[in-house]
Amino acid sequence: KAGVTQTPRYLIKTRGQQVTLSCSPISGHRSVSWYQQTPGQGLQFLFEYFSETQRNKGNFPGRFSGRQFSNSRSEMNVSTLELGDSALYLCASSLEGKLHEQFFGPGTRLTVL
Amino acid sequence: QKEVEQDPGPLSVPEGAIVSLNCTYSNSAFQYFMWYRQYSRKGPELLMYTYSSGNKEDGRFTAQVDKSSKYISLFIRDSQPSDSATYLCALSNSGNTPLVFGKGTRLSVIA
Repeated sequence: KAGVTQTPRYLIKTRGQQVTLSCSPISGHRSVSWYQQTPGQGLQFLFEYFSETQRNKGNFPGRFSGRQFSNSRSEMNVSTLELGDSALYLCASSLEGKLHEQFFGPGTRLTVL
Repeated sequence: QKEVEQDPGPLSVPEGAIVSLNCTYSNSAFQYFMWYRQYSRKGPELLMYTYSSGNKEDGRFTAQVDKSSKYISLFIRDSQPSDSATYLCALSNSGNTPLVFGKGTRLSVIA
């Protein structure tokens, strides 16, 4: 069974631009969560989608948004990029009610210049 | 007080040593306790999880939860150089609530 895939793996943007990251979950997994990982703050939860609905949301500004499609694939968008948005963005998928058994993708490394 | 505290290390041990990794937490509502391993430039990989209190063993890895002390541990027996990675604890209230991660402990096992 294929794992969680994320595209692109690396991205360089400049301040003020916007970016869209994509995540394909493990087949059969309908819950997709997004995390931001930085050296200073560690892994922080952004949001979780299940059946195309945002079910949980972390403490991030509205510039961070996401969506989920009917095939469970998910995208997250960051608008008006800031230098502090430079991070590894991780996507994780799980079965319903099994957030304690999440499987992570390799992440997208975003650098904002 | 942060919800989850984890010593960032780095922790360096000789091959074959027993490694002890720990996290403390403040929220008594946590019921699920997970340990993830993250190699450089990779996503975290779930090692094991424990529900409520007690011990759980999987090969060379043992997870312990002490809810009265709000303290969780991961023990690695007969450590190998391939165990060199960052170990993250993660906690949650239920199967439908987001995970709260510790900042991770970087472990190096020296051959």
